[in-house]
Amino acid sequence: DAKTTQPNSMESNEEEPVHLPCNHSTISGTDYIHWYRQLPSQGPEYVIHGLTSNVNNRMASLAIAEDRKSSTLILHRATLRDAAVYYCILRVYSGGGADGLTFGKGTHLIIQP
Amino acid sequence: NAGVTQTPKFRVLKTGQSMTLLCAQDMNHEYMYWYRQDPGMGLRLIHYSVGEGTTAKGEVPDGYNVSRLKKQNFLLGLESAAPSQTSVYFCASSQTVAEQFFGPGTRLTVL
Repeated sequence: DAKTTQPNSMESNEEEPVHLPCNHSTISGTDYIHWYRQLPSQGPEYVIHGLTSNVNNRMASLAIAEDRKSSTLILHRATLRDAAVYYCILRVYSGGGADGLTFGKGTHLIIQP
Repeated sequence: NAGVTQTPKFRVLKTGQSMTLLCAQDMNHEYMYWYRQDPGMGLRLIHYSVGEGTTAKGEVPDGYNVSRLKKQNFLLGLESAAPSQTSVYFCASSQTVAEQFFGPGTRLTVL
């Protein structure tokens, strides 16, 4: 899987939007962009994924740059429960595509009340 | 649905002892994974399985063995534990390549 670059930490205020950036300049055409998050003392949790178009679900939105070299995870209205480490991961869907995820260090999101 | 469960939650071993970690999932998923997470780091893949009776090596397989005799269970074994294997171990399962479901983790300390 291609490499991603994320800021080590970010801070935001409760009830405000949060934009978490991810750079993936070596992304290939078959790489999907995945986001997971890990709350303190828990296992990671799937957030969202996309290929080329922007994606929305109940948890977040994913904005993908036109050249796909970067993406942004958007939490529309952060709550204290959103404080976690957020991981941006690239995955190739090939063949069975069942090999594991490659985690970096992620972005530690701090939410201030 | 319990999702993905892991047994035990905590364990302390002495160097050289052996143990088996059990992962169980009730979602009928084909794919299962074992990861380890060291302090301040992301998860690293140890072994994975694409179906009952199959296993494959991940990024850091040395010192571990796995078995998938039943579709719902994935066992991770340490034959001779070493202090370098002190870590938090996470199991995950998935049916598609899109989303993996993770268990709560097993915190292992090797003295």
